[in-house]
Amino acid sequence: EPEVTQTPSHQVTQMGQEVILRCVPISNHLYFYWYRQILGQKVEFLVSFYNNEISEKSEIFDDQFSVERPDGSNFTLKIRSTKLEDSAMYFCASSLGTSSYNEQFFGPGTRLTVL
Amino acid sequence: AQSVAQPEDQVNVAEGNPLTVKCTYSVSGNPYLFWYVQYPNRGLQFLLKYITGDNLVKGSYGFEAEFNKSQTSFHLKKPSALVSDSALYFCAVRAANAGNNRKLIWGLGTSLAVNP
Repeated sequence: EPEVTQTPSHQVTQMGQEVILRCVPISNHLYFYWYRQILGQKVEFLVSFYNNEISEKSEIFDDQFSVERPDGSNFTLKIRSTKLEDSAMYFCASSLGTSSYNEQFFGPGTRLTVL
Repeated sequence: AQSVAQPEDQVNVAEGNPLTVKCTYSVSGNPYLFWYVQYPNRGLQFLLKYITGDNLVKGSYGFEAEFNKSQTSFHLKKPSALVSDSALYFCAVRAANAGNNRKLIWGLGTSLAVNP
């Protein structure tokens, strides 16, 4: 069964450094998403991406964040200058996109630790 | 504002007994409702969804959920719990009238422990 994959599973970085989190969505999916979950808190939406552009973003997704689909398979989240409060589990998801109620399929997550 | 509440942090049930994990929501207009499960060190796995129609929806692993519009609830149920059902369960919602904005709003999650 096809699945969303994410790398790395755990990333440790120093405050102020740039990180890139990588995701390979399910191949025939059209919508891509990033969510994050700070320990003990709710899963929060960051951004959705469709047709090579951002479809929607939350107030968390400020200028420090960017997303890219550099080729036909990868979907990346870049944090330019990490802050301590960026420490969280980051989940990538994808959905078919043919209907607005298509369920989203999630990857296993990348745990980002900012020191 | 849209929101989801899962009033129980933890639910404990004996194997073989029925289980219920509660979820209530707040959204403008009609909701699309989802349940996901998370096993340790794994991603969020889709269980089932309510879009429209029959209020009782059936999903993976014998789970079902009942949509109750008047109570704005979407409780997850299973007639006979298994130890392997022990995991973290998340309820999520989005408004049906949100157009192409597809972000999901999540509850805090409920930890289900099924005791042998």
